[in-house]
Amino acid sequence: AQSVTQLGSHVSVSEGALVLLRCNYSSSVPPYLFWYVQYPNQGLQLLLKYTTGATLVKGINGFEAEFKKSETSFHLTKPSAHMSDAAEYFCAVSQNTGTASKLTFGTGTRLQVTL
Amino acid sequence: GAVVSQHPSWVICKSGTSVKIECRSLDFQATTMFWYRQFPKQSLMLMATSNEGSKATYEQGVEKDKFLINHASLTLSTLTVTSAHPEDSSFYICSASEASGRNPGEQYFGPGTRLTVT
Repeated sequence: AQSVTQLGSHVSVSEGALVLLRCNYSSSVPPYLFWYVQYPNQGLQLLLKYTTGATLVKGINGFEAEFKKSETSFHLTKPSAHMSDAAEYFCAVSQNTGTASKLTFGTGTRLQVTL
Repeated sequence: GAVVSQHPSWVICKSGTSVKIECRSLDFQATTMFWYRQFPKQSLMLMATSNEGSKATYEQGVEKDKFLINHASLTLSTLTVTSAHPEDSSFYICSASEASGRNPGEQYFGPGTRLTVT
């Protein structure tokens, strides 16, 4: 069984400020971890993913996340927020089975960026 | 690469009619496709998993006779909402995983289909 918890359904930051979106997971097997972004009325776009290897992963648009096994966390960060970052962000986990497996999503965090 | 399309992007239908939504992997072969439903301001809820050439596996609580899924080829899966009712109005999103296994665990998402039942 696997689950994802995203703390904070709504996060507001000023333009240029640090973005931190929290994600904790539970998984009975080594996980694959993902962050997706969704703009209104659109599908999901992959920001970054962790499968194996380096625990600090860099993604698109300046985002990065660090897999911390001891804390079962995969928080998403960006040093400096931009207005275009305003969107819904979903953390997701799947099982590291090497084949197609279900994604379990968190409830999402809406990021608001203010001037 | 790894582009998934959905058609139509939005559809309005009358209560009692059926609607078919197509999901295509444009530049890769997808052994497995997933169908999700998303209500406003909520997360994605997995409805079913379909594997090419076999019956779909539905999640608990999803009516298989109402949401018919067909995955006839490695690039196409369809979701048919039968006898649609206003409560079926939602945003339906499909995703696909590559047959090659190049990116294990990763799903590529379509742009979604907005269904409104009047």
